[in-house]
Amino acid sequence: DAGITQSPRYKITETGRQVTLMCHQTWSHSYMFWYRQDLGHGLRLIYYSAAADITDKGEVPDGYVVSRSKTENFPLTLESATRSQTSVYFCASSEPNTGELFFGEGSRLTVL
Amino acid sequence: TQLLEQSPQFLSIQEGENLTVYCNSSSVFSSLQWYRQEPGEGPVLLVTVVTGGEVKKLKRLTFQFGDARKDSSLHITAAQPGDTGLYLCAGGGYNFNKFYFGSGTKLNVKP
Repeated sequence: DAGITQSPRYKITETGRQVTLMCHQTWSHSYMFWYRQDLGHGLRLIYYSAAADITDKGEVPDGYVVSRSKTENFPLTLESATRSQTSVYFCASSEPNTGELFFGEGSRLTVL
Repeated sequence: TQLLEQSPQFLSIQEGENLTVYCNSSSVFSSLQWYRQEPGEGPVLLVTVVTGGEVKKLKRLTFQFGDARKDSSLHITAAQPGDTGLYLCAGGGYNFNKFYFGSGTKLNVKP
């Protein structure tokens, strides 16, 4: 089915471990985004990508790494997870003519 | 610091009441969007406004973009329990890239 899928949906890890959250979209949208959602903060932009091999920082990029070797995939890596990175992470892609963001179902990450 | 501030943060009302949610910023945006999010799901777009002073209506929902393109409001008439959810505004730049979200308004409509 067409859409945007995230994996894993739930992940528990320990402080200091590396974690990668995967995001895959089937629309061939140029723009893709990673947001984190915490109580009281709405959605905060971590990184975004305008096209394959083009990425840029958002509001809260520290502690995160992204890559975009293919248009359809936009993985987010926490190189050394910290408790403050416990959050729900949303991947999104945007339709170029309207800017509508299409979100995945989210990945709930707990760092112990 | 949040680029977009929403108020109120929480709103609990009875079915049939009217309400307004506000989204304010000191920055100018080329476009502004409103999303609704239900628990366990990603946000879903309600509307996009791009012109200062623009008003859009979606059934019982009325959206307005401020003249200076720094603020927006969402008005719901005769709220229903199905309107319950988290409402988020998002400001975007030129070419609809890099959207920044507000802190959200959690609405609960009681039957």
